[in-house]
Amino acid sequence: GENVEQHPSTLSVQEGDSAVIKCTYSDSASNYFPWYKQELGKRPQLIIDIRSNVGEKKDQRIAVTLNKTAKHFSLHITETQPEDSAVYFCAAKNAGNMLTFGGGTRLMVKP
Amino acid sequence: DAMVIQNPRYQVTQFGKPVTLSCSQTLNHNVMYWYQQKSSQAPKLLFHYYDKDFNNEADTPDNFQSRRPNTSFCFLDIRSPGLGDAAMYLCATSRVTGNEQFFGPGTRLTVL
Repeated sequence: GENVEQHPSTLSVQEGDSAVIKCTYSDSASNYFPWYKQELGKRPQLIIDIRSNVGEKKDQRIAVTLNKTAKHFSLHITETQPEDSAVYFCAAKNAGNMLTFGGGTRLMVKP
Repeated sequence: DAMVIQNPRYQVTQFGKPVTLSCSQTLNHNVMYWYQQKSSQAPKLLFHYYDKDFNNEADTPDNFQSRRPNTSFCFLDIRSPGLGDAAMYLCATSRVTGNEQFFGPGTRLTVL
C-alpha cells in the first residue's frame, strides 16, 4: 500500500523566514496531494492541495511543488508569522482512493 | 455555515464501558470517515462509509463499530474501551472518495 514519509518532524524558524516541509510517497499512481494544518486542539484544515497534472501551485504565502518522477512533494511557506505555528500533515491519495497521511511536522515560528 | 459537527467534544468513560461518539454534517457529502489521532500523530483511518456502503480498514480492531443511519449522521461505537483507546476521534466528510476531506472538531476520549 501507499507509504508517505514526511520530514522534518519538527521545524523551528524565525518570524519572516521561509519554511519547507518535504514528503515522499511510494505509489506512483497517486494523483492527489493535500496539505493540512492542525493547530493545537483543533481540527485539521486543508490549506492547499495539488493534483498530479500540475507541478506547482501557489496561494499567497503558501506554495506546493510536486515532482512525480521522484515521487516527492513539498510545502513552502514564505514570510512566516507566529500564527503559522501548528502541525502540518501531508497526504497522498492511495489506490483505495483514501488518503494516507505523513507523520506530521511541528512548525514553530519564533517572534 | 455548512459544517461537520461532533458530539460530545470531550467524553470520559470507564475501562470496558461502551461509548458512542456522534458526527453530523450539513455538507450533504456522500462519504463519511472516522479517524483516530493520538498525540499529534497522523490521523489513522478506522473506516468510512460511501453512502450506505461500509468499508473497514484491515487493521481496525473489532472493538470499533460504526453506524450511518442516514446521509447526515454517522456514529462510532467503542464496545469495550481500553486504556489504549484514549485518543482524539475525528470525523471527516468528502463529496466522493479521493477528494478534499472536511474534518469535524473531534471528540477527545479519556478512558479511566
